[in-house]
Amino acid sequence: DQQVKQNSPSLSVQEGRISILNCDYTNSMFDYFLWYKKYPAEGPTFLISISSIKDKNEDGRFTVFLNKSAKHLSLHIVPSQPGDSAVYFCAAKEAGNNRKLIWGLGTSLAVNP
Amino acid sequence: DTGVSQNPRHKITKRGQNVTFRCDPISEHNRLYWYRQTLGQGPEFLTYFQNEAQLEKSRLLSDRFSAERPKGSFSTLEIQRTEQGDSAMYLCASSREQGKRSDTQYFGPGTRLTVL
Repeated sequence: DQQVKQNSPSLSVQEGRISILNCDYTNSMFDYFLWYKKYPAEGPTFLISISSIKDKNEDGRFTVFLNKSAKHLSLHIVPSQPGDSAVYFCAAKEAGNNRKLIWGLGTSLAVNP
Repeated sequence: DTGVSQNPRHKITKRGQNVTFRCDPISEHNRLYWYRQTLGQGPEFLTYFQNEAQLEKSRLLSDRFSAERPKGSFSTLEIQRTEQGDSAMYLCASSREQGKRSDTQYFGPGTRLTVL
């Protein structure tokens, strides 16, 4: 049972436009959410996180929005750059449990010049 | 480089052999995690250390797998009698405990294991 779902396996965006990556979750005990970027043959690189007490967190070109009632979060990248092309993973952590992250399957983003 | 490091980066072995991977976390991080990732999947949690204590093991970690973190610094993951199904990317992550606040896990480059 996939507790963290990234329903779009891939996304293609033009350079300079906005990329929106979506993530849905089913476990209401999740209280911390993270986005990671991964290039082939490398480990995931942390991008941005959000606590469940917030609905938005921004860091440079990256903004994460959290809608708790819908159990949905999204990552916005503005403006998109070719170097952003990678697989993006959404991950979540249960309240009171720092021991593991639960991951989605990832969305492959291609930013075209 | 002060990030998480893992060695080796690639390992090719024959079925039935034993392999050992090493992870060096970020120096001030007291928490260390092992994950496994196969193609088309997100990372799957294997085990977790707080300092030298192994506090949680996933059901994915069969008896052939053992992990240690003897001095609360680096960690090793050993797989005995490897099987072809063990072929995967093995990822190590570390984080710093921050009281009640959630901590962020930082990942190493991974060790790619291929079992022939």
